[in-house]
Parts: sequence; structure tokens; C-alpha cells
Amino acid sequence: GENVEQHPSTLSVQEGDSAVIKCTYSDSASNYFPWYKQELGKRPQLIIDIRSNVGEKKDQRIAVTLNKTAKHFSLHITETQPEDSAVYFCAARDSNYQLIWGAGTKLIIKP
Amino acid sequence: GAVVSQHPSWVICKSGTSVKIECRSLDFQATTMFWYRQFPKQSLMLMATSNEGSKATYEQGVEKDKFLINHASLTLSTLTVTSAHPEDSSFYICSAPRKGDITNEKLFFGSGTQLSVL
Repeated sequence: GENVEQHPSTLSVQEGDSAVIKCTYSDSASNYFPWYKQELGKRPQLIIDIRSNVGEKKDQRIAVTLNKTAKHFSLHITETQPEDSAVYFCAARDSNYQLIWGAGTKLIIKP
Repeated sequence: GAVVSQHPSWVICKSGTSVKIECRSLDFQATTMFWYRQFPKQSLMLMATSNEGSKATYEQGVEKDKFLINHASLTLSTLTVTSAHPEDSSFYICSAPRKGDITNEKLFFGSGTQLSVL
């Protein structure tokens, strides 16, 4: 079955700098990759997603890139702000339409 | 917009008691509800998938007699933690796609329930 690995587990960046979180997946049949942001004790919120027929997608300060050959995808946040501090989860949708989640990355934005 | 309402948000109970968590889909029908457990600083672990009108599907290692799931209508799914013990203390959260959406590209999450078993 699908396995998703996410790195790093914790990322600390200076406010204004960029942050990059990477995920790898194992099932080449997976075709949908969302990223969720979760603040402490709250529900995850979808921030961006990408389908396998696209290599990159951008939404203001947030972008996601997908390399199908290498089976990895990354979240890029530019010009980080304090409100970007949260836990970010990647996921891959397998051939049964189930989302398989990464372990999460705690992003800390230092003022 | 579509929302999943989850209650209670917090519950503290004594060891051995049962706790029921409700997730209601507002403004949309949910044939399927995913139930997750999340321990501190860890990812969302899928426990089971409930389906309206049929038995829930449990993930490997999840005791179906301990975590009772009922999906009695297209807008309500419940998870009952029976004979709760301290190791069951966790953040429980539900999510659902709209009825008919088998792609799971748009999941609506509940706000979560923090369960503490003393």
C-alpha cells in the first residue's frame, strides 16, 4: 500500500524567509496530493493541492511542486509570517481514494 | 458553506466509562465519515470509515468492539469509546466528503474532540 514520508519533523525559519517541506510517496498510482495546515487543537485546513497531471501549482505565497518520476512533492512558503506557524501535513491519495497522511512538520516562524 | 459539526470539543471522563462523540454534516449529506485519532505531535491516524446504513470499516489494529461507530443517517455519525482507559486519551477528529464525491478531494473536517481519561 501507499506510504508517505514527510521531512523535516520540525522546521524553524526567520520571519520573511522561505520554508520548504518535502514528502515522498511509494505508490506510483497515487494521483492527488493535498497539503493541510493544522493549528494546535484545531481542525486541519486544506491550503493547496496538486494533481498528478500538473508539475507545479501556486497560490500567492504558497506553492507545491510534484516530481512524479522521483515520487516526491514539496510545499514552498515564501515570505513567511508569524501566522504561518502551525503543523503542516502532506497526504497522497491512493488508488482506493484513501488519503495516506505524512507524519507532519511543525513550522516555527521566528520573529 | 459545508461544515462538519463535532461535539463535544473537550471531555474528561473516569476510566471505565464510555464517551460518545458526534459528527454532524451541516448543509450537505455525507455517506461516508472518516474517524481519526491524533496523539500529541503525531499525524492523523485513520481508525475507521463509517458508511451510512452499513457497518463501519476498521483499520488494522483498531478494536471494533471498543470503538463503536454508528452512521445512522446521511448527516450524523457517532464514535463511542467504550470502557475508556488513560491510553485512549487523544484528539479524535472526523472528516467527510460530500455524498457522491468518491475522490475525497474535498474533505470537511470536524473541529475535533480532546478526550482525557483519568
